[in-house]
Amino acid sequence: EPEVTQTPSHQVTQMGQEVILRCVPISNHLYFYWYRQILGQKVEFLVSFYNNEISEKSEIFDDQFSVERPDGSNFTLKIRSTKLEDSAMYFCASSSSYEQYFGPGTRLTVT
Amino acid sequence: AQKVTQAQTEISVVEKEDVTLDCVYETRDTTYYLFWYKQPPSGELVFLIRRNSFDEQNEISGRYSWNFQKSTSSFNFTITASQVVDSAVYFCALSEALFTSGTYKYIFGTGTRLKVLA
Repeated sequence: EPEVTQTPSHQVTQMGQEVILRCVPISNHLYFYWYRQILGQKVEFLVSFYNNEISEKSEIFDDQFSVERPDGSNFTLKIRSTKLEDSAMYFCASSSSYEQYFGPGTRLTVT
Repeated sequence: AQKVTQAQTEISVVEKEDVTLDCVYETRDTTYYLFWYKQPPSGELVFLIRRNSFDEQNEISGRYSWNFQKSTSSFNFTITASQVVDSAVYFCALSEALFTSGTYKYIFGTGTRLKVLA
């Protein structure tokens, strides 16, 4: 069964550094998403992406964040200058309609 | 605004007890979708069930069952004869259509941590 994959599973970075989280969505899906879950809290929507552009973004998704589909298979989330409060689990998801399929997540730790 | 409420923050039960996790939602949409996910300590989101707003049939899958009631905007989840392996955080989610873009976003509840004691 096709699945969404994410790399790395765990990323440790220093405050102020740039990080790129990578996702490979299910191949025939057209819609892509990123969600964030701060430890012990709920999962929150960050951004949706369709037809090579951002469709919707939440207030969390500020200028420090960007998304890209550089090669038609990978879907990336970049955080330009990480802050301590960016420490969280980041989930990628893809869909062809209303139902989204989630990747296993990348745990980002900012020290 | 769309909202999902899981009022139970944490529940502890002894193995073999039945346990019900509550989920109440708010939405303006007439067509919507509801989901339950399990999040074990390893952190991934494990899909359990989906329901659309036109299908109010309750569902049973092994030890799991779901009770969807539109009249009370609730979508509750029951585990029968709980086991230690059921210990996890369980999230209820509502799929909201973003009509301006044709995409959807999930709105998650705050989760219920279930501890099943041996």
